Amino acid sequence: EIVLTQSPVTLSLSPGETATLSCKASQSISASFLAWYQHKPGQPPRLLIYGASNRATGIPDRFSGSGSETDFTLTISSLEPEDFAVYYCQQYGGSFMYTFGQGTKVEI
Amino acid sequence: QVQLQESGPKLVKPSETLSLTCSVFNASLSRGSYYWSWIRHHPGKGLEWIGYVFFSGHTYYNPSLKNRVTMSIDTSKRQFSLKLAAVTVADTAIYFCARGTNWFDPWGQGILVTVS
Repeated sequence: EIVLTQSPVTLSLSPGETATLSCKASQSISASFLAWYQHKPGQPPRLLIYGASNRATGIPDRFSGSGSETDFTLTISSLEPEDFAVYYCQQYGGSFMYTFGQGTKVEI
Repeated sequence: QVQLQESGPKLVKPSETLSLTCSVFNASLSRGSYYWSWIRHHPGKGLEWIGYVFFSGHTYYNPSLKNRVTMSIDTSKRQFSLKLAAVTVADTAIYFCARGTNWFDPWGQGILVTVS
């Protein structure tokens, strides 16, 4: 099973700042199989990034993803008030399984 | 656009079977390369993938739950379902259904199921 480890657990920032979230895989994965989600209470997770670096439909360009093999990053530039949420990375592929990271909370 | 909606009992007794259905709107379940999936979110914890069912009925489950999980699909009704047997309080969570490829999109709104 591929384990995804996200860091930091919590990120305390102010609106207008840049958030840099890390997702490390326990073994090399194809970037095609790496996605990022935003999750707010009372809502389903929202797909932000797929294929490591492609923004999903309707996602603002302040969200960007990068990385390869075992190291992936989600960057949120110029944080807006609505960006404060929990963010998860997710991979598909190892033994036909999906796994999620444990999440990073971006708080004010 | 494609929409998903979970339904089922919101309260289940310990040792009983949790049963949920996901209804899919504006999409056919009988074709495509989608993995119709169930994912849960424990209060205060992260997301856990439970498993998926393919249009053919083929299933794949998270090994940590596979002994208790059964999924099925009814393409004529545009529904797929989840059964989780022998539940405990640790199965209390918000259960989401979602359409999967290499990622999940869209998701249902989720249903909070309490085991008590």
